[in-house]
Amino acid sequence: QKEVEQDPGPLSVPEGAIVSLNCTYSNSAFQYFMWYRQYSRKGPELLMYTYSSGNKEDGRFTAQVDKSSKYISLFIRDSQPSDSATYLCAMRMNTGFQKLVFGTGTRLLVSP
Amino acid sequence: DSGVTQTPKHLITATGQRVTLRCSPRSGDLSVYWYQQSLDQGLQFLIQYYNGEERAKGNILERFSAQQFPDLHSELNLSSLELGDSALYFCASSVGQEHQPQHFGDGTRLSIL
Repeated sequence: QKEVEQDPGPLSVPEGAIVSLNCTYSNSAFQYFMWYRQYSRKGPELLMYTYSSGNKEDGRFTAQVDKSSKYISLFIRDSQPSDSATYLCAMRMNTGFQKLVFGTGTRLLVSP
Repeated sequence: DSGVTQTPKHLITATGQRVTLRCSPRSGDLSVYWYQQSLDQGLQFLIQYYNGEERAKGNILERFSAQQFPDLHSELNLSSLELGDSALYFCASSVGQEHQPQHFGDGTRLSIL
């Protein structure tokens, strides 16, 4: 069993829809949670960075962390065709060692 | 643009060969991380350097080695290449070594023929 599980998709939605992307994890020691967006032939781009449980909002993006359920989510409001990409969740423990553990990514397709 | 620069963008070589991948971190970042991304394994952590010193190792093969130079750029050396080494290799950097986000370059695509 992988430490971080993520549905590979693809997830297809029409423009303007609310998108929900999710990851589950098994290691309760994870404390920092991130979402990266990766376009084809590009590197992962950091979207959201959160610590412990709770919500964080940045523009059209909202990240939620539920540590009791070992479940994190990324919501995208008013989705745009330019949001079409692969979304990777990542997490790490609260130690000096900064190894990130990634999900395999969910491919999102937003159609006009 | 993340500010992390990786060269070359694409490398094509043969089995048994040796290659060097280069990474320049964002200005002011002292930590450099190397990751391998393959279709079946996703992004896997290889190794971390902080201010010239190795700090952590992940699933890095003995045929692979890395270093960080005084100007903070880093190189990842891959030797005795095998077909299975074909992948995207990403470099990331962060300001320090604790609790800061990592920013990724656009990677080097390595193709082994």
